[in-house]
Amino acid sequence: EIVMTQTPLSSPVTLGQPASISCRSSQSLVHSDGNTYLSWLQQRPGQPPRLLIYKISDRVSGVPDRFSGSGAGTYFTLKISRVEAEDVGVYYCMQATQIPRTFGQGTRLEIK
Amino acid sequence: QVQLVESGGGVVQPGRSLRLSCAASGFSFSTYAMHWVRQTPGRGLEWVAVISYDGVHKFVADSVKGRFTISRDNSRNTLSLQMNSLRTEDTAIYYCSGGKGFDYWGQGTRVTVSS
Repeated sequence: EIVMTQTPLSSPVTLGQPASISCRSSQSLVHSDGNTYLSWLQQRPGQPPRLLIYKISDRVSGVPDRFSGSGAGTYFTLKISRVEAEDVGVYYCMQATQIPRTFGQGTRLEIK
Repeated sequence: QVQLVESGGGVVQPGRSLRLSCAASGFSFSTYAMHWVRQTPGRGLEWVAVISYDGVHKFVADSVKGRFTISRDNSRNTLSLQMNSLRTEDTAIYYCSGGKGFDYWGQGTRVTVSS
């Protein structure tokens, strides 16, 4: 199975400042159809996960444009341009290229 | 609006069975694959099973193979997970999820396996 590794596991950030989370996969996430099925999910305290970004950089409708995704192959990044209080929670990368689907360990975003 | 509502969780002894259900509404359930994902504090998010839109293709994680079965009833917009021979390590919150990818998530149902 593909192992997803996130760094850092915890990220204290000042409100209004940027934040960045990295995700590395143990093998390429390029599917035979040419797409790369790397997603980012947000889980706020007490809530189920919520899909933010799919296929590396496509934002789900309603997700603020301060969230952006980038990367290719085995290395991916989620960036928040200016952190707001509502962004507190745990962020997960997930690959949907292969079965079993696999998730990163999660990165806890907290406000300094 | 889109809703996924899980039910069927509870406390059960090791070796016993439990059946989870997920009622879907607000989207074209019969056109999307559906998943079960579970979450524990120690192991984070763990994908459990997927079923194709028409119920023909099913895959489960190795950790539950031979014990869990995923199914769906498109006439009732319902997803199910039959869990047999439960183990303490199956204790988790179970979410159903679906859509184009994992667009939609339920609130989860808690399963506790304990003697």
